[in-house]
Amino acid sequence: EAQVTQNPRYLITVTGKKLTVTCSQNMNHEYMSWYRQDPGLGLRQIYYSMNVEVTDKGDVPEGYKVSRKEKRNFPLILESPSPNQTSLYFCASKRQTYSNQPQHFGDGTRLSIL
Amino acid sequence: AQTVTQSQPEMSVQEAETVTLSCTYDTSESNYYLFWYKQPPSRQMILVIRQEAYKQQNATENRFSVNFQKAAKSFSLKISDSQLGDTAMYFCAFMKHDTRGSQGNLIFGKGTKLSVKP
Repeated sequence: EAQVTQNPRYLITVTGKKLTVTCSQNMNHEYMSWYRQDPGLGLRQIYYSMNVEVTDKGDVPEGYKVSRKEKRNFPLILESPSPNQTSLYFCASKRQTYSNQPQHFGDGTRLSIL
Repeated sequence: AQTVTQSQPEMSVQEAETVTLSCTYDTSESNYYLFWYKQPPSRQMILVIRQEAYKQQNATENRFSVNFQKAAKSFSLKISDSQLGDTAMYFCAFMKHDTRGSQGNLIFGKGTKLSVKP
């Protein structure tokens, strides 16, 4: 089954404790992306990757890191989480960066930073 | 920079009736793509419908259709014969198209929460 898998689905943690949200897709997709969703703000892009070892900032990259060492995985790293990063996070992918195909979304990760 | 505006934070409709969700966008691009995504309480992001800006014909998918007005930069979603399962947050999204193709980044509106009442 074609899917984008995020882990964990839920996480409650404390300020300053490094965490990683994993994202994996089994569709051999070239493009991957991270979004955060906040009430009243919709989804905003954090980082994206157009291929292995190619990443770039989205609209709200501050406080986040990513890596794309292999095609299927695109982890989101919070080196020193803060309460303003409490949010619902989505990973998404699509087959080719430069195509009109829609993105496939993961099921989301709910992060709470205390 | 592109922006997407959904002016209706919340809407409600009676089951079996028709409802229209509005979306406007601002862009200087001539080629682009527009999408409507549905997010039910399960919080999955589900593609409902998409429209290519170079196509004049409005897209339809079963009970879902759009009214795309390129000159007005308007992209509304019409849901006919509303069902309880249509209760969800609906997001309008924009994706630009450049000379190499459609670069992947989506710009989302803030969403419209639709409640379908029995």
